Amino acid sequence: GAGVSQSPSNKVTEKGKDVELRCDPISGHTALYWYRQSLGQGLEFLIYFQGNSAPDKSGLPSDRFSAERTGGSVSTLTIQRTQQEDSAVYLCASSLSWETTIQPQHFGDGTRLSIL
Amino acid sequence: AQSVTQLDSHVSVSEGTPVLLRCNYSSSYSPSLFWYVQHPNKGLQLLLKYTSAATLVKGINGFEAEFKKSETSFHLTKPSAHMSDAAEYFCVVSSASGGSYIPTFGRGTSLIVHP
Repeated sequence: GAGVSQSPSNKVTEKGKDVELRCDPISGHTALYWYRQSLGQGLEFLIYFQGNSAPDKSGLPSDRFSAERTGGSVSTLTIQRTQQEDSAVYLCASSLSWETTIQPQHFGDGTRLSIL
Repeated sequence: AQSVTQLDSHVSVSEGTPVLLRCNYSSSYSPSLFWYVQHPNKGLQLLLKYTSAATLVKGINGFEAEFKKSETSFHLTKPSAHMSDAAEYFCVVSSASGGSYIPTFGRGTSLIVHP
């Protein structure tokens, strides 16, 4: 079975441009998470989707960041007017349900974003 | 509220010697605890999880961890390190803290294995 798929694997763009990062979760997984991992740092939570519920956006660092999840499956993270501090690896994870006390998360390989 | 502290940012061992990666947590609720491994340019892979069953948990690749409530610890061990174990390791806590099940990640421990 396919795991979590993220695209592109690498993205280089100029400061001020908009970027879209895509995540295709494991089929049947209702929970989807986006994290940011900066060099030598742990994972910074960004946003969480669970089924048809309103997403938890509490981790988004600014209003330049947004995400959507269409049809309860594929998710897109959009960063507008990119800044150099946005350079990081963006990781997506999915899990079978919101009960992360029971269900582990499954991670994609990430998108490495570099802002010039 | 919940938090997790990985006590060492780097651990260096020789191949064939034991591995100990330390993790302490805090949680207002009964937590579940996880260890993930991340190899270079890869996502995180689950090594093992504790979810209120047996306190000694066995995972993949010979790793195990012991949940000690009195010490609020969940240290990861392996009897004999292999070169392929060199990677970044993350300790994670998850609980029904404030009605949210968003896991909290430690800052990671880089395991270096010398031949």
